[in-house]
Amino acid sequence: GQQLNQSPQSMFIQEGEDVSMNCTSSSIFNTWLWYKQDPGEGPVLLIALYKAGELTSNGRLTAQFGITRKDSFLNISASIPSDVGIYFCAGQGMYSGGGADGLTFGKGTHLIIQP
Amino acid sequence: DTEVTQTPKHLVMGMTNKKSLKCEQHMGHRAMYWYKQKAKKPPELMFVYSYEKLSINESVPSRFSPECPNSSLLNLHLHALQPEDSALYLCASSPLPSGSLYNEQFFGPGTRLTVL
Repeated sequence: GQQLNQSPQSMFIQEGEDVSMNCTSSSIFNTWLWYKQDPGEGPVLLIALYKAGELTSNGRLTAQFGITRKDSFLNISASIPSDVGIYFCAGQGMYSGGGADGLTFGKGTHLIIQP
Repeated sequence: DTEVTQTPKHLVMGMTNKKSLKCEQHMGHRAMYWYKQKAKKPPELMFVYSYEKLSINESVPSRFSPECPNSSLLNLHLHALQPEDSALYLCASSPLPSGSLYNEQFFGPGTRLTVL
């Protein structure tokens, strides 16, 4: 089945630092999505990317859809305590699990902010 | 109303019980989904409904039975579950029918299920 390699698995950073995480795939995706999940809650959609090369921002978050359509990164600038959580990338495309509609998720990046 | 709601928030059931999970959205979304998520793992797709019809079943055991009574509601009926079925069950919806491109999914808060 499809696999997304998401890294890093976890990050320990100081408040105010910038954060960068990425996902790579062996297959092409039509859409890349980035979600944040807090403990015991559902994933919240942060950014959706639809076009190769697209760079999109949402406040302090910036994400890019790789030009090869096989990768994406998410940057968080000037981290704050509420950024703590697990960040998942998800790809959507013809070969995702569950057909064209299914999302293939990365394993997540656990962000921990030290005061 | 721009959210997906799920009830109950928590559920504890025995292996002989029958229970149901409920999901609701009033955004006019055309597709709805059930995912299962184990601790520290990503969500795994279980079922997809498009226009109230089951379009995808990811080889889920028959002890899980989905139902879509109308375009806003999605249920998951549970019967004779096993302890390993304990997980966070997430519902999601997307604006376009199943199979459409650029069809981002919006998740509910989940139901934490414990099977004793």
